[in-house]
Amino acid sequence: DGGITQSPKYLFRKEGQNVTLSCEQNLNHDAMYWYRQDPGQGLRLIYYSQIVNDFQKGDIAEGYSVSREKKESFPLTVTSAQKNPTAFYLCASSTTLTGGYTFGSGTRLTVV
Amino acid sequence: KQEVTQIPAALSVPEGENLVLNCSFTDSAIYNLQWFRQDPGKGLTSLLLIQSSQREQTSGRLNASLDKSSGRSTLYIAASQPGDSATYLCAVSADNYGQNFVFGPGTRLSVLP
Repeated sequence: DGGITQSPKYLFRKEGQNVTLSCEQNLNHDAMYWYRQDPGQGLRLIYYSQIVNDFQKGDIAEGYSVSREKKESFPLTVTSAQKNPTAFYLCASSTTLTGGYTFGSGTRLTVV
Repeated sequence: KQEVTQIPAALSVPEGENLVLNCSFTDSAIYNLQWFRQDPGKGLTSLLLIQSSQREQTSGRLNASLDKSSGRSTLYIAASQPGDSATYLCAVSADNYGQNFVFGPGTRLSVLP
């Protein structure tokens, strides 16, 4: 079945560490996205990519970095510059045929 | 700037009731509207996608309508079940490129046995 796979499901980061969240899709979607979700808040866009080797900052890109070397993969690195990284991170993809979104199951990142 | 609101913020109903969730958006120039379901600690599951040229979409016990001119969409759930308990979010997009998706805050639904 086609879908989006995010790993790991849970991730713990020490102060000052960089960590990378994985996102892989087999839907053949061109566009991919990273969102952050905090309790009581809506979804906020971190980065998005419309095509391979190209990506754009979203509303809250500071402290994060991404790459898009393959159509299927869009990893997110949470750097030590992100001062409040504890959150639920969601990856999504979309097709220009309908514009509809498909989401992964999420990664919960906790700073310890 | 597009803004999406959802009313009510939370809803609790007994099992078997038919219910309506509301979604409003400020800019009627949308390309599509999508309803999602999110269970606690999980990702978002797409329920229904309505293109701007459509008036409604149906899937099983779910029916979503779209009135672009008034900036409203409703999600109708028939014969609610405890398994329907979740947060329901709507999102609108101005085009088919996706990065302009604007999400509502969600309605938290509890269906009591």
